[in-house]
Amino acid sequence: VVLTQSPLFLPVTLGQPASITCRSSQSLAHNDVNNYFNWFQQRPGHSPRRLIYQVSTRDYGVPDRFSGSGSGTDFTLTISRVEAEDVGLYYCMQGTHWPLFHTFGQGTKLEIK
Amino acid sequence: QVQLVQSGPDVKTPGSSVKVSCRASGGTFRTYTISWVRQAPGQGLEWMGGVDSVSGSKTYAEAFQGRVIISADDSFTTVYMQLSGLRSDDSAMYYCVLIAADSWGQGTLVSVSS
Repeated sequence: VVLTQSPLFLPVTLGQPASITCRSSQSLAHNDVNNYFNWFQQRPGHSPRRLIYQVSTRDYGVPDRFSGSGSGTDFTLTISRVEAEDVGLYYCMQGTHWPLFHTFGQGTKLEIK
Repeated sequence: QVQLVQSGPDVKTPGSSVKVSCRASGGTFRTYTISWVRQAPGQGLEWMGGVDSVSGSKTYAEAFQGRVIISADDSFTTVYMQLSGLRSDDSAMYYCVLIAADSWGQGTLVSVSS
């Protein structure tokens, strides 16, 4: 499975929306309990943290300006209004429970214009 | 929630092996799947492999097959990742992760240099 993110570099003005897309080489079937799709954020100097799991469910404590959508092979992470604390790297990830497997996208670097 | 505590930074020479540990603080890894993810300087996240604590089954990413061994103690309190045949491009931060719980270790910096 190969995940292709775009763009790889995303300059955004504060308060403006931003979107990152992730295309998978393997389709994720609806209600497939063995496969899952997540989004991670990595702020500078920090370990990654998960923002979104199962395509569209926000993790506890994640601001509601973050949303995930998509199906099949195409997925999107949207930030409705970018804030300064959103600077960092964003990764999509697809995985299976059995057999255990995970793969990450290349990462998208978000910065403030 | 289980906290993950990793061993400290290490410096290795090319061709040698490194073994990084990941200890569960406040519990055990029982019922979890533990993965190892690495990040080279300025690069993205790369899944190396993982172990299912319920079945004991281990799976390795194709890129690391034959070079990486993931193991655990009998109580599944500590999990280990051993990488052999080290090269300079293995210099990276290595993380243990409970992906399902979004729990990450603090990372272990491994530097490979002659």
